[in-house]
This record gives sequence, C-alpha cells and structure tokens, in this order.
Amino acid sequence: TQLLEQSPQFLSIQEGENLTVYCNSSSVFSSLQWYRQEPGEGPVLLVTVVTGGEVKKLKRLTFQFGDARKDSSLHITAAQTGDTGLYLCAAPDRGSTLGRLYFGRGTQLTVWP
Amino acid sequence: DSGVTQTPKHLITATGQRVTLRCSPRSGDLSVYWYQQSLDQGLQFLIQYYNGEERAKGNILERFSAQQFPDLHSELNLSSLELGDSALYFCASSVGVGGRWETQYFGPGTRLLVL
Repeated sequence: TQLLEQSPQFLSIQEGENLTVYCNSSSVFSSLQWYRQEPGEGPVLLVTVVTGGEVKKLKRLTFQFGDARKDSSLHITAAQTGDTGLYLCAAPDRGSTLGRLYFGRGTQLTVWP
Repeated sequence: DSGVTQTPKHLITATGQRVTLRCSPRSGDLSVYWYQQSLDQGLQFLIQYYNGEERAKGNILERFSAQQFPDLHSELNLSSLELGDSALYFCASSVGVGGRWETQYFGPGTRLLVL
C-alpha cells in the first residue's frame, strides 16, 4: 500500500488552463514536499510545507497543506508547456529514519500548446 | 544541475550479472541516499549513508549493497540481477541526516536495463 496517494495519475490540458493535483494520506506528516521530475532527470524540489493550513505560492504554482497535515494540493494557474512533467509529493519519515522520504506515485502532467 | 553526479547514465546487462553504480554528492553534503524508480513501484527509498555510516534502510534487497567512502562518494552494488531490477536508480544528497528541514538534491539517475 502507498502511504501517499496522488490523483489524478495523468492530466492532459491545453496551455492557459488551470489545474489542481492532490496528495492524500491517512497518516499525519511533520511536513510535505512537492517535486517536479522531467524526463531523463532526477526530481527537483519545488516547495516544502510544514504547518497545517499553510499556503505557499511559487509564481503560478500554489501549494496548500491540509489543516490536519494529512493532505496537500498543488494548483497551477494558466498552465504553460514548460509545466509539463511528473509531479511528486513526498514526506519524510520520523525518528531514527528521518532521512527516508516516502513518495507518491506522481501525477504526469502534459500541457499542450 | 543539482551538483550530484551519477555514473554511468545508462547500463545494459544480463540476468545473473553484477553492476556497480556510482554517486558523488554535492560538495559539503554528508548524507547520500539511494532510490529506485520503477513503473510499478514508483520512487522507493533504498538506503541512506551519513558520513560513512549506514543511517537508514528501506526496501533494499539482500542482493543489493551500498557503501559510502571516506571522500563521501557512494556506490550501490547490485548482484544476481533479475529482469525486475530494471529501473532508474537515483542518488540524492543532503547536508545533514535528513528530516523536514533538509533538502535532498537528486542526481540525474542511472537507467539500468537487465536483459
């Protein structure tokens, strides 16, 4: 079973549209991270959210951490072709294994011109 | 460019063989992490080393082993390879031992194909 469930698995939209992807869990996390991965490359960290209810904006990307720290969302406004990629959410473990990151399966976003 | 380097970029080998993947962390980073990314399992944590010592272990098979050397580079050894070991293998590094305040920087990965 996956600790982090991401939806949708695939998303294909036109340039200029808005979209939201979700990351859900039954577990409470101390923080949650969002990464973007492009073909042939490793994941790149976009943002870390740590406080329940926190909202962070990165240009056209808005990240929200749920009040109960069990879920998160990523909203993209006016998507561009450069936003195409695999969006992954991840959460760190606790205690002695806090270096371990659990990843969701990701949302594959394709933005068409 | 994350500053993490991995070699080789691609590796094609046969079942039953043994391969070694190499990772050089960012300058100053003491932790190295290994992850496996496959279509059916997604990105899975394998193992972490911090300053030469094993720090955390994930779903790493007994046929796999890793080590971190005094110069902090790391190697992941995969032996008795099976078709199912075909995947992308990523190395990441961070300054400290990990946790919510740490950023892990990922390398470009090694794509392993077992035939």
